[in-house]
Amino acid sequence: NAGVTQTPKFQVLKTGQSMTLQCAQDMNHNSMYWYRQDPGMGLRLIYYSASEGTTDKGEVPNGYNVSRLNKREFSLRLESAAPSQTSVYFCASSETTSGDYEQYFGPGTRLTVT
Amino acid sequence: KNEVEQSPQNLTAQEGEFITINCSYSVGISALHWLQQHPGGGIVSLFMLSSGKKKHGRLIATINIQEKHSSLHITASHPRDSAVYICAVSFYTGNQFYFGTGTSLTVIP
Repeated sequence: NAGVTQTPKFQVLKTGQSMTLQCAQDMNHNSMYWYRQDPGMGLRLIYYSASEGTTDKGEVPNGYNVSRLNKREFSLRLESAAPSQTSVYFCASSETTSGDYEQYFGPGTRLTVT
Repeated sequence: KNEVEQSPQNLTAQEGEFITINCSYSVGISALHWLQQHPGGGIVSLFMLSSGKKKHGRLIATINIQEKHSSLHITASHPRDSAVYICAVSFYTGNQFYFGTGTSLTVIP
C-alpha cells in the first residue's frame, strides 16, 4: 500500500518548456488535489478533482491544466513553464472534499524553472 | 489574503520543554486539521478537530469554536519533534482547505 505517489521528485525546466507531473493513489479515494508550496506562504490549491470525471479550479490555477485520468490518477501539466512556477508541488487525496476527512499527501516534486 | 493565521512562525525549544503552537481563523469552519512536515518535505496529518480536544501520545490538540482558535501542544519535547507544523481549515462554504504558513519548530538536545 504505497499511499500517494508522485513523479518526478525533482525537475529543472527552461522557461517555455512543458511537463506533466504525475500522481497516483491506491486508497480508492474519490477526491484528489494539486497544491504548490512557496517559502513564506501556506500550501495553495491549484486544482482539485472531487470525483472521477470532474475537475475544478482552486486558488492559483493560471498556467496549469489537470487531467483526472481515472479514479487513481491525477496529473498536472505546465504547458509553458515560467520562473514564477518554481515551487514544490504536492498531490493529495481524500475520501471526499469534505473537511471531515483527512488528506493524504504525496512526497512532493521540487520544480525549478530557469 | 490568508484566512488562517499561525503563531509563532519560528520556535526553538530545549528538549523536554512544553510547546504550544497557535492557529486562528476568520469565519466558521467545518473542521480544522494539524499537519506535520518533516525536513525531508513529507506531510502527514496529525489531528482533525471540529470541537473539544484530542490526544495522541505527547501531542494534544484543542479547539475553541467560539474564539475561532486552536492550539497544538507538545509535552516533553524531543529533537525528533523538529518539523514544520501546519494548521489547515475547511470552511462551511467550499470544497477546499486553507492552510496557515506553518510554524517551524526546532528542539535542541
